[in-house]
Amino acid sequence: DQQVKQNSPSLSVQEGRISILNCDYTNSMFDYFLWYKKYPAEGPTFLISISSIKDKNEDGRFTVFLNKSAKHLSLHIVPSQPGDSAVYFCAASEGGGADGLTFGKGTHLIIQP
Amino acid sequence: DTAVSQTPKYLVTQMGNDKSIKCEQNLGHDTMYWYKQDSKKFLKIMFSYNNKELIINETVPNRFSPKSPDKAHLNLHINSLELGDSAVYFCASSQLQGVGELFFGEGSRLTVL
Repeated sequence: DQQVKQNSPSLSVQEGRISILNCDYTNSMFDYFLWYKKYPAEGPTFLISISSIKDKNEDGRFTVFLNKSAKHLSLHIVPSQPGDSAVYFCAASEGGGADGLTFGKGTHLIIQP
Repeated sequence: DTAVSQTPKYLVTQMGNDKSIKCEQNLGHDTMYWYKQDSKKFLKIMFSYNNKELIINETVPNRFSPKSPDKAHLNLHINSLELGDSAVYFCASSQLQGVGELFFGEGSRLTVL
């Protein structure tokens, strides 16, 4: 039973354009959401997070939007750069933090030159 | 200066063998985790330790036994390896239990033949 779903296994975006990665969740108890980025043969690295009391969090080129009523969050990257090519994991947690994160399957973002 | 390091990075072994994966973090974090990324690419939590004490133990066979000699180390020992144990195992740490993001190691790819 997937509580966190990333329905697009891959996404191809042209350099300089906006990349939008989507994530849906089913557990209404989730109150903290994170995005991780993973390069091949490396561990996931933290990118950005958002608490359920907010609907937007921005950090440089990365913005995460949370729509609680739709149980949906998205990660926007603008402008997209070649180094952004990686697998992006959406993760969620109850209780506000890192304990027992539930991950999606990831979306492979490919930035085309 | 790797923050979370795991060894070995690759492990190929026969069914029935016993193997260990070691993890060390030099971030001074209190909480450490083991995650398993299976063939379907899901990252699932296995164990969580806070200051050497077991906090989370998801539904994992008894053949898996974590050991935390001190709060900077969390090793994973697997007895009687089975084909289904083939996966990438990620160690991670966080500063406080239930707060903040996780810092992951590079992963250890276990292949059981």
